[in-house]
Amino acid sequence: DAGVTQSPTHLIKTRGQQVTLRCSPKSGHDTVSWYQQALGQGPQFIFQYYEEEERQRGNFPDRFSGHQFPNYSSELNVNALLLGDSALYLCASSLDRRGLTAFFGQGTRLTVV
Amino acid sequence: ILNVEQSPQSLHVQEGDSTNFTCSFPSSNFYALHWYRWETAKSPEALFVMTLNGDEKKKGRISATLNTKEGYSYLYIKGSQPEDSATYLCASAYSGGGADGLTFGKGTHLIIQP
Repeated sequence: DAGVTQSPTHLIKTRGQQVTLRCSPKSGHDTVSWYQQALGQGPQFIFQYYEEEERQRGNFPDRFSGHQFPNYSSELNVNALLLGDSALYLCASSLDRRGLTAFFGQGTRLTVV
Repeated sequence: ILNVEQSPQSLHVQEGDSTNFTCSFPSSNFYALHWYRWETAKSPEALFVMTLNGDEKKKGRISATLNTKEGYSYLYIKGSQPEDSATYLCASAYSGGGADGLTFGKGTHLIIQP
């Protein structure tokens, strides 16, 4: 079992561009959550997907959107990138909405210049 | 806005010594408390998840306790080894409307000195 895999591992984008990050959950997990970790901060909840729908959302603007596919994999899209979007983006998969069984990927390091 | 606090922010410990650090969290609508161990360039590794007041969990030399009434958890490491060097994150989960994912602290960065 490969666990949770994220791609790409690193990414550099220019302000105003759009970016898509990808996550494959641990085998058997149907719930995917995304977190943003800015420098010096703890991970912050962006949103959670289950059955291909956004089920919960944290305090992030609409520029952050996502998608879940029938195979449970997920994408995080960020439009109109700002310098402040530079962060490590973590994906977590679980069997339950409260994350009692949450496993994390290694993250995607996004740098906006 | 929920606020999870971890202390200390960083800690240097001599190899062989024991250590502990704290996570404090809002206790209203509390559902679960997680501890993760995170080494650089790796995925956060789940150590413990606790839900009941008075819960104690142990994994090798690492143990954790939970007090949901006063909103804190302790993580203990006995006989620290260099491989224990990592950032230790705690995260709380809540029940009730929204239940917005896990709320993380900023972590305790632990360095074990040989």
